Amino acid sequence: GDSVTQKQGQVTLSEDDFLFINCTYSTTTYPTLFWYVQYPGQGPQLLLKVTTANNKGISRGFEATYDKGTTSFHLQKASVQESDSAVYFCALGNAGAKLTFGGGTRLTVRP
Amino acid sequence: GPKVLQIPSHQIIDMGQMVTLNCDPVSNHLYFYWYKQILGQQMEFLVNFYNGKVMEKSKLFKDQFSVERPDGSYFTLKIQPTALEDSAVYFCASSSGDQDTQYFGPGTRLLVL
Repeated sequence: GDSVTQKQGQVTLSEDDFLFINCTYSTTTYPTLFWYVQYPGQGPQLLLKVTTANNKGISRGFEATYDKGTTSFHLQKASVQESDSAVYFCALGNAGAKLTFGGGTRLTVRP
Repeated sequence: GPKVLQIPSHQIIDMGQMVTLNCDPVSNHLYFYWYKQILGQQMEFLVNFYNGKVMEKSKLFKDQFSVERPDGSYFTLKIQPTALEDSAVYFCASSSGDQDTQYFGPGTRLLVL
């Protein structure tokens, strides 16, 4: 079946640091890939979505490239802010409409 | 953006009792979902629902679970009877199409004692 792996359970950075969150996936189909962000007490919110291999999604300074060759969808941001502190989930969507989530990466940004 | 509401936000219940979790999806959405997140673990798909029917369910969607959306009202997840392992946060989501973005509610935190 489908699976998504996020190697980093927690990342701690200072403001203006570069962010890199690792995400790899496994599937036999051609999925849509997502990053969701979850703030305390809230449900996950869509951060960005890419439907086509080799395309890049960009939103609010975050970007991720759908790399079919390495089956990866790493999340990056050039300069993080304290307000970016949240849990970030990588997810995979296939026909049939269910999402398969990674384990999440908790980002803490120190002022 | 589009809002999904969930009622209640928290529920504490004794093992063996019935519980109903309510979801008010985005108004023009046609596809509805439940996901389960145990504390510290990843979010896992339970079930999706379209046109009055379950389309797909995971192995986590036990026989004690049921979903319905009578007459366009709340989309509900019922657990009867509850078990200790049902303690988790349950997230509802909805989308306009089966390949479209899913919008999530804030979750219902269920504790089964």
